[in-house]
Amino acid sequence: AQTVTQSQPEMSVQEAETVTLSCTYDTSESDYYLFWYKQPPSRQMILVIRQEAYKQQNATENRFSVNFQKAAKSFSLKISDSQLGDAAMYFCAYRRDPSNQAGTALIFGKGTTLSVSS
Amino acid sequence: KAGVTQTPRYLIKTRGQQVTLSCSPISGHRSVSWYQQTPGQGLQFLFEYFSETQRNKGNFPGRFSGRQFSNSRSEMNVSTLELGDSALYLCASSSRTSGNTGELFFGEGSRLTVL
Repeated sequence: AQTVTQSQPEMSVQEAETVTLSCTYDTSESDYYLFWYKQPPSRQMILVIRQEAYKQQNATENRFSVNFQKAAKSFSLKISDSQLGDAAMYFCAYRRDPSNQAGTALIFGKGTTLSVSS
Repeated sequence: KAGVTQTPRYLIKTRGQQVTLSCSPISGHRSVSWYQQTPGQGLQFLFEYFSETQRNKGNFPGRFSGRQFSNSRSEMNVSTLELGDSALYLCASSSRTSGNTGELFFGEGSRLTVL
């Protein structure tokens, strides 16, 4: 069975600084998706960034980027120029089999609570 | 376009009762999935429905059930409530396009407290 591990329950960063959230996963499959989702205190979860396992290039979305190391099964999220609005719980998630026929079920890590100070 | 809507947002029940939660997906989205979020277990997948059929099911007891209607709205039911069922229940929807890319759109959740 696939597992996702986030080893940092809490992280803190100052505004304008850079922070990296760690995520490791375990799978025997070669094709899959990885995600970072953000859950602000209002609770609605939103997608931050997505990485397809077959793509070697690391995904980037504005101030958010990932370091995807497929062989090491590592998928970290880097937030640059941190802003107060980045404060939230961040979840790393895995989805097996990108084929839509298999469903969209995600396996989540336990989350990392990020606090941002001014 | 309206987002995923979950009702009720908060509810309190007592052990042994049953509860029904509702989810209206984004218009045009045919896939609806449910997750349970607790401080101890984190986010766990309950089940997914697509075109009124259960496509996938997580590792939860039979007390947890769901269904989807022809308009893609979904309900989940928990019978014989236990204290451990206290959780935030999240609904997520996806379209065929977003489903292929893996993106789920989440509602704000229904906070269930079992006393």
